[in-house]
Amino acid sequence: NAGVTQTPKFRVLKTGQSMTLLCAQDMNHEYMYWYRQDPGMGLRLIHYSVGEGTTAKGEVPDGYNVSRLKKQNFLLGLESAAPSQTSVYFCASSYASGGAYEQYFGPGTRLTVT
Amino acid sequence: GENVEQHPSTLSVQEGDSAVIKCTYSDSASNYFPWYKQELGKGPQLIIDIRSNVGEKKDQRIAVTLNKTAKHFSLHITETQPEDSAVYFCAARGTGNQFYFGTGTSLTVIP
Repeated sequence: NAGVTQTPKFRVLKTGQSMTLLCAQDMNHEYMYWYRQDPGMGLRLIHYSVGEGTTAKGEVPDGYNVSRLKKQNFLLGLESAAPSQTSVYFCASSYASGGAYEQYFGPGTRLTVT
Repeated sequence: GENVEQHPSTLSVQEGDSAVIKCTYSDSASNYFPWYKQELGKGPQLIIDIRSNVGEKKDQRIAVTLNKTAKHFSLHITETQPEDSAVYFCAARGTGNQFYFGTGTSLTVIP
C-alpha cells in the first residue's frame, strides 16, 4: 500500500495564479483532511471530508476550496494565490473504529507564492 | 472551538534521560488525544494516542497520561535515544471530527 500520497511535492506560484493539490489514499478511509503547517503554529485544519461527496470547513478555510468526488481522492484548490498562502500543506486520512481516529499523513507539498 | 497549548517549545535532554511534553485543551467534549512525531521534511507520524475514557497508556518507552478534570495530557519518553530527536505535536479531536494541534516541541537528544 502506498498510504497517503500528495502531488506535487513542490510548487512555486505567482500571486493571483491558481492551482490544485491532489491527495490520494489507498486505505479505504472515510475521513480526509487538509492542513497547512507554518513555523511556530503547528498544523491548522483548512477543510475536511467525512465521506465521498461531503466537505466541511476547518479553522482556516478562507482562500481555499476542496472537492471529494471519489472516496480515495481529496483535492485542495487555490483560486487566486496570495503570499500568505506560502506554507507546507499536508493531507491526512483516517478511519473511525472504536473511538480511535488515527490519522495517516502524506509527505507534504511545499508551496511558495511570490 | 478547541484550543490546544503545548509546552515546552524546545527541549534538550541527555541520551538515556527522560523527556516530558505537556499539553492542555479547552473543550471538555474532546475525546481523543494523539501524539505525533515529525522528522525533517516528512509528514507527522502517530506514535501514541489515548481516548478520553483512559487515564494512561504505554508503548515500550513511550507513555501518555490524561487528566480529564484538569484538561491536560502529557507525553513521556524514557531512556531517550538520538533517534528520538524530532518535533512532537499533541492534538485533540473536538466536535465535528476536527483535530486541533499544539504548536510543537522540538526535542534534541544529546549523545
